[in-house]
Amino acid sequence: GAGVSQTPSNKVTEKGKYVELRCDPISGHTALYWYRQSLGQGPEFLIYFQGTGAADDSGLPNDRFFAVRPEGSVSTLKIQRTERGDSAVYLCASSLGVPPDTQYFGPGTRLTVL
Amino acid sequence: DQQVKQNSPSLSVQEGRISILNCDYTNSMFDYFLWYKKYPAEGPTFLISISSIKDKNEDGRFTVFLNKSAKHLSLHIVPSQPGDSAVYFCAASEAGDKLVFGAGTILRVKS
Repeated sequence: GAGVSQTPSNKVTEKGKYVELRCDPISGHTALYWYRQSLGQGPEFLIYFQGTGAADDSGLPNDRFFAVRPEGSVSTLKIQRTERGDSAVYLCASSLGVPPDTQYFGPGTRLTVL
Repeated sequence: DQQVKQNSPSLSVQEGRISILNCDYTNSMFDYFLWYKKYPAEGPTFLISISSIKDKNEDGRFTVFLNKSAKHLSLHIVPSQPGDSAVYFCAASEAGDKLVFGAGTILRVKS
């Protein structure tokens, strides 16, 4: 079956612009996660959705970052007033939502802020 | 503070031999541990997991060992194959939700 998909695969933007990153989880998975991976580091948690609601957004670095999942499936990560430090690979993962739970990752979106 | 540490940035092993990747953690509330493999330009791929109620889990060539008293886990790959060359991430969670990752270990299997 289809895995987690993310679009776009690459995004180059200028400092100060707004970007949206999309994640399509595995069908039937109720839990969805966003992580960010900087060069030479492991993925870092940003936000976790259970259904339509954000169950844990403690990893969002500041109020420029926002994510939605309005119908409990596709999610969009939104970054306002991008900064060069936002450059990273943004990874999305989904799971069935029943602990203990394996998270399956998408290929990521590489964001470059010039 | 790094709650999950992979102290070896890289490891080189001969094809057919054992690869041992190590991971240490500091948070005693972690109760679920996973290993992921990552190839360049791809997302992490799930390999194997272990719950804190176990000390060993095996799946084919991959075995994960958990030592709760030492807060240490390891991944054994036997026999190692060139296709195993990748970055390996250790991850941990409390109650199976958000994962905390180590920085990764680059494994190179030489043929």
